[in-house]
Amino acid sequence: EIVMTQSPATLSVSPGERATLSCRASQSVSSSYLVWYQQKPGQARRLLIYGASSRATGIPDRFSGSGSGTDFTLTISSLQSEDFAVYYCLQYNHWPFTFGQGTKLEIK
Amino acid sequence: EVQLVESGGGLVQPGESLRLSCVASGFTFSTSWMSWVRQAPGRGLEWVANIKEDASEKYYVDSVKGRFTVSRDNAKNSLYLQMNSLRAEDTAVYFCARGVDPWGQGTLVTVSS
Repeated sequence: EIVMTQSPATLSVSPGERATLSCRASQSVSSSYLVWYQQKPGQARRLLIYGASSRATGIPDRFSGSGSGTDFTLTISSLQSEDFAVYYCLQYNHWPFTFGQGTKLEIK
Repeated sequence: EVQLVESGGGLVQPGESLRLSCVASGFTFSTSWMSWVRQAPGRGLEWVANIKEDASEKYYVDSVKGRFTVSRDNAKNSLYLQMNSLRAEDTAVYFCARGVDPWGQGTLVTVSS
């Protein structure tokens, strides 16, 4: 099983600042099968990034994804109030599909 | 608009069974691989099972293998998860998903005596 490790567990950032979230895989994952989700309490999970770097429909361009192999990054360039949430990465290259444990982005 | 609506959750005792359903609309169900994902209270996400478009292949995470069965009825645009021999650690919100996105709102399964 591929273990996905997200860091940090919690990130405190001020609105307007940049946030950088990391997702590391225990073995190589094809970029085509790496996605990022945003989760807010009481709301449906929102797909942000697919294929490691492609923004999903309707996602603002302040969200960007990068990386390959075992290291992937989600960057939010200028945090808005609505961006404070929990973010998960998911690899679906190898069964079982596995999530990172999440990064909670909180207001500083 | 893609919609996925789960049902069938509830409170059951350890060792009992439950069948979850997911009705899909807004896309061609018969050409989509489908999934079940769960999230235990206060815990992370776990991908439970996948089923190919024609049900010719099914995949299960080790923790449910031999106890859970995923199935589908393409004529009814429906996905199912038969859960047998339920354990306390199966307590979670269960989501169905079209591939990896989107997901439904989920149905809560609680296993407790």
